[in-house]
Amino acid sequence: DTGVSQDPRHKITKRGQNVTFRCDPISEHNRLYWYRQTLGQGPEFLTYFQNEAQLEKSRLLSDRFSAERPKGSFSTLEIQRTEQGDSAMYLCASTEGNEQFFGPGTRLTVL
Amino acid sequence: AQKVTQAQTEISVVEKEDVTLDCVYETRDTTYYLFWYKQPPSGELVFLIRRNSFDEQNEISGRYSWNFQKSTSSFNFTITASQVVDSAVYFCALSEGGAQKLVFGQGTRLTINP
Repeated sequence: DTGVSQDPRHKITKRGQNVTFRCDPISEHNRLYWYRQTLGQGPEFLTYFQNEAQLEKSRLLSDRFSAERPKGSFSTLEIQRTEQGDSAMYLCASTEGNEQFFGPGTRLTVL
Repeated sequence: AQKVTQAQTEISVVEKEDVTLDCVYETRDTTYYLFWYKQPPSGELVFLIRRNSFDEQNEISGRYSWNFQKSTSSFNFTITASQVVDSAVYFCALSEGGAQKLVFGQGTRLTINP
């Protein structure tokens, strides 16, 4: 296990469809974060988990978004009824308390 | 509220020149951390450095150096003798509080021309 992995790397979907992304953090990292990055901007915080508990959610995370980390290992981020404004890079990061290590991201395009 | 400002949107220099990327932050906390990340064209964010608010010592790592000044709320990053491989978008970030979530600046796109 050499780093944070995310799947898929790219997703193209039609407006109104549901999509789910997966993040596998570095082993034994107890904190996992989701961020969203739109073109030309820095990443913005969405939510984070301490083990399996979701401890904070950003106001950016509308009720169409849901995230889980059922066993405190991998995490999923689901977007329901996607909208064109959801098009972005979705980044996952993990840490054991110091620097956050990022995955390669999932680029979502909503047509 | 926390805020990070990177006023330089784009910088372009010729290889071997020195270049400084500016970062100014705002926070009400006395305990916080500052970071720099590099995002090459491949898109993955690469961690460069983490600094805590109690350590104002400047740091040097090879061609990279960082200047942290609490008096001006700045955490600037200098690349000495730049190389083409340094071309990327660089982000400054701030974290605070129990969540340690990162607040990023808008990034500076650095282009090193041969």
